[in-house]
Amino acid sequence: EDKVVQSPLSLVVHEGDTVTLNCSYEVTNFRSLLWYKQEKKAPTFLFMLTSSGIEKKSGRLSSILDKKELFSILNITATQTGDSAVYLCAVATNAGKSTFGDGTTLTVKP
Amino acid sequence: DAGVTQSPTHLIKTRGQQVTLRCSPKSGHDTVSWYQQALGQGPQFIFQYYEEEERQRGNFPDRFSGHQFPNYSSELNVNALLLGDSALYLCASSLATGRIYGYTFGSGTRLTVV
Repeated sequence: EDKVVQSPLSLVVHEGDTVTLNCSYEVTNFRSLLWYKQEKKAPTFLFMLTSSGIEKKSGRLSSILDKKELFSILNITATQTGDSAVYLCAVATNAGKSTFGDGTTLTVKP
Repeated sequence: DAGVTQSPTHLIKTRGQQVTLRCSPKSGHDTVSWYQQALGQGPQFIFQYYEEEERQRGNFPDRFSGHQFPNYSSELNVNALLLGDSALYLCASSLATGRIYGYTFGSGTRLTVV
């Protein structure tokens, strides 16, 4: 059975801090790893990673995938209160199904 | 360009009843996946529809069924509701061709079973 594990489950930081969120996975027929941000209801897409070692970057957020060790990290630098959310990691298989982790709840305090 | 639309946004049902949730995918998307998200957990895959057929199914009982229409919209039906079915139901659309598997999610339907 496909499995995605995220850590930590929750994190409280202050504005300006840098955070690292972790995602490890065990899936068959890996296609891609995706990160989403969920604030209220609909998760919104952040990154899709398919190749090891290539960093994806968007503003203060960046992510990298290690297909040998089966994990990914999501970094957020200079955190802001607007970064407070649940961050979800999902792994998509070649068949198109995505398996999600339970998420990391990030709280950024002013 | 419309995103994914789900209806209704909230729903309260009594144990044992049946419910139908609806989803219109993002324009240009042809694949619809349904997820159940309980409080404090990640979304759990229910099933995926493509070309009006159920292509994949997660570990959910037969009480959960679905349908996809020729215009790619989809319905999720749940029969004999249990208290444990209370959750946020998310619809996600994607494009099967071109092997792009990033989803666009709808805002979900919050189902409460009492």
